[in-house]
Amino acid sequence: DGGITQSPKYLFRKEGQNVTLSCEQNLNHDAMYWYRQDPGQGLRLIYYSQIVNDFQKGDIAEGYSVSREKKESFPLTVTSAQKNPTAFYLCATTAGGSSYEQYFGPGTRLTVT
Amino acid sequence: AQSVAQPEDQVNVAEGNPLTVKCTYSVSGNPYLFWYVQYPNRGLQFLLKYITGDNLVKGSYGFEAEFNKSQTSFHLKKPSALVSDSALYFCAVKGGSYIPTFGRGTSLIVHP
Repeated sequence: DGGITQSPKYLFRKEGQNVTLSCEQNLNHDAMYWYRQDPGQGLRLIYYSQIVNDFQKGDIAEGYSVSREKKESFPLTVTSAQKNPTAFYLCATTAGGSSYEQYFGPGTRLTVT
Repeated sequence: AQSVAQPEDQVNVAEGNPLTVKCTYSVSGNPYLFWYVQYPNRGLQFLLKYITGDNLVKGSYGFEAEFNKSQTSFHLKKPSALVSDSALYFCAVKGGSYIPTFGRGTSLIVHP
């Protein structure tokens, strides 16, 4: 998990509230990703960003938004439009060049009631 | 389109025995293949990758994987399992797309 921090580790919100999950990296990596993990479903891509001020929708972007104003930071907002937001959220980076493996943060477990 | 299949939701093995976690893939062009491990309530950790070269790839913690192009497989192996190897294992493939695709994961349980 070194080099990528996600906060908080556990987050509880009431239904209808927007919530922002933090992801910060000090690896100087260009590419950053947000995944959602649900039991038995693997990792599903929400958004990714290859460079500052640019990001692309993943497979399940509806109900989520992101920003990439700084290379080090890629926050994810879970909006009230997301119908089933309770999940484990993982942020990841890629070094680029010939290093295609991803580095993951420790994750944030979001519970919405 | 690219895809990954991990046909086993769970693999059980006795400590000291060899283990295999299966992965098959579908991708256009040459595949880049990865294995990751996840411990409970933690992020994924990179174990090993195949980009090109030798079909047998060695990685962290004594794990290795064999790339088989004809069978489009990339099975994860370890000669002697440890109880501490018990975790969730993910296979991923990256082809022409910039973004890798992950399998659903296989839970490895090593019994003492």
